[in-house]
Amino acid sequence: DIVMTQSPDSLAVSLGERATINCKSSQSVLHSSNNKNYLGWFQQKPGQPPKLLIYWASTRQSGVPDRFSGGGSGTDFTLTISSLQAEDVAVYYCQQYYRSPYTFGQGTKLEIK
Amino acid sequence: QVQLQQSGPGLVKPSQTLSLTCAISGDSVSSNSAAWNWIRQSPSRGLEWLGKTYYRSKWYNDYAVSVKSRISINPDTSKNQFSLQLNSVTPEDTAVYYCARAGGSTLTHDYWGQGTLVTVSS
Repeated sequence: DIVMTQSPDSLAVSLGERATINCKSSQSVLHSSNNKNYLGWFQQKPGQPPKLLIYWASTRQSGVPDRFSGGGSGTDFTLTISSLQAEDVAVYYCQQYYRSPYTFGQGTKLEIK
Repeated sequence: QVQLQQSGPGLVKPSQTLSLTCAISGDSVSSNSAAWNWIRQSPSRGLEWLGKTYYRSKWYNDYAVSVKSRISINPDTSKNQFSLQLNSVTPEDTAVYYCARAGGSTLTHDYWGQGTLVTVSS
């Protein structure tokens, strides 16, 4: 199985400041046939299912604010929130969908400082 | 807009079978470009993908090795829904269970059901 490891486990950032979450996969999730990274980012708020924010490592899902951006390739990825808003408090997960079983990181809890 | 509506019991006794259903609106369980998944979440195991069913000229299933001997995911084309059955449950199977679609341009899990907390207890 591809193991997904996120850092840090928790993060406190001031409103309006930048937040960066890292994700590392145990194997490359870059598919050579189409040069796409099979990596997604999800946001989960209490009592809700995960919400897809980013797919193909850097493509924002429809309706997601442009303060959210994804980067990286191969085995190392980042999710950046450029200017933290109060509504961004949540747990964030990365996920690989390169190969079954589709695996998630352990989550990063983002709070307001 | 795709919507997934889950139903099923929230309490199952040990050794019995957990059964959940996910009703689909806005898409078809027989779609050639989607896969229909079950994912669970618990404090001890985090988010864990369990399996999927999908149609590509015929029906296919793909299951996580951790539950492969106990799981069945089946489509119901007459009701446009799919189901999860997990046999011989133990307290370790206590979790919030989600159904989710993978497909469209994202290929990953873009639409989710509301979640069902299933507790395994006598």
